[in-house]
Amino acid sequence: ELKVEQNPLFLSMQEGKNYTIYCNYSTTSDRLYWYRQDPGKSLESLFVLLSNGAVKQEGRLMASLDTKARLSTLHITAAVHDLSATYFCAVDSGGGADGLTFGKGTHLIIQP
Amino acid sequence: DTAVSQTPKYLVTQMGNDKSIKCEQNLGHDTMYWYKQDSKKFLKIMFSYNNKELIINETVPNRFSPKSPDKAHLNLHINSLELGDSAVYFCASSQPGGVGTDTQYFGPGTRLTVL
Repeated sequence: ELKVEQNPLFLSMQEGKNYTIYCNYSTTSDRLYWYRQDPGKSLESLFVLLSNGAVKQEGRLMASLDTKARLSTLHITAAVHDLSATYFCAVDSGGGADGLTFGKGTHLIIQP
Repeated sequence: DTAVSQTPKYLVTQMGNDKSIKCEQNLGHDTMYWYKQDSKKFLKIMFSYNNKELIINETVPNRFSPKSPDKAHLNLHINSLELGDSAVYFCASSQPGGVGTDTQYFGPGTRLTVL
């Protein structure tokens, strides 16, 4: 059974600081996703990582994938309050139409 | 235009009732999904449908039944609702198999409360 573990599950940080969220998964996968969820809202796709060594950046967020270590990271640079949200990583091991297996999410609070 | 839409947004009902949640996508995707998000925000896949064929069913009670009248719709019907069914249900769609096109797009969610 595929397992996806995120850490930390809760993170409170100050604006301007850098931090990294980690996502480990238990079986071979060629697709890893990062989603953002604001309170009471849907999930917004942030990144899709499709190969070993993939790195994607959007604004202050950068995601990377190491398939050999079964590890993805979401790095936040110079955090701002608007990035406060819950961040989920998810893995698709089916290579097709299977559903995603999600981590438990990282609840991120960025304080002024 | 909304890519994945769900109705209703909120659903409050009594134990033992039967209810349905509707989902429609206008992205032309072949595969649609239902996820359940519990009170601890944990997301779990329930079903996926590909070209009107059920692909997976992750230990979901048979009180839950997905129904797909066509490729753009995947409705979720729930019989004999129980307290533990209270959650937020998300519909999603994707086009698997293509590089960069297999992102799952999620609907706004339906918050189900069983009293």
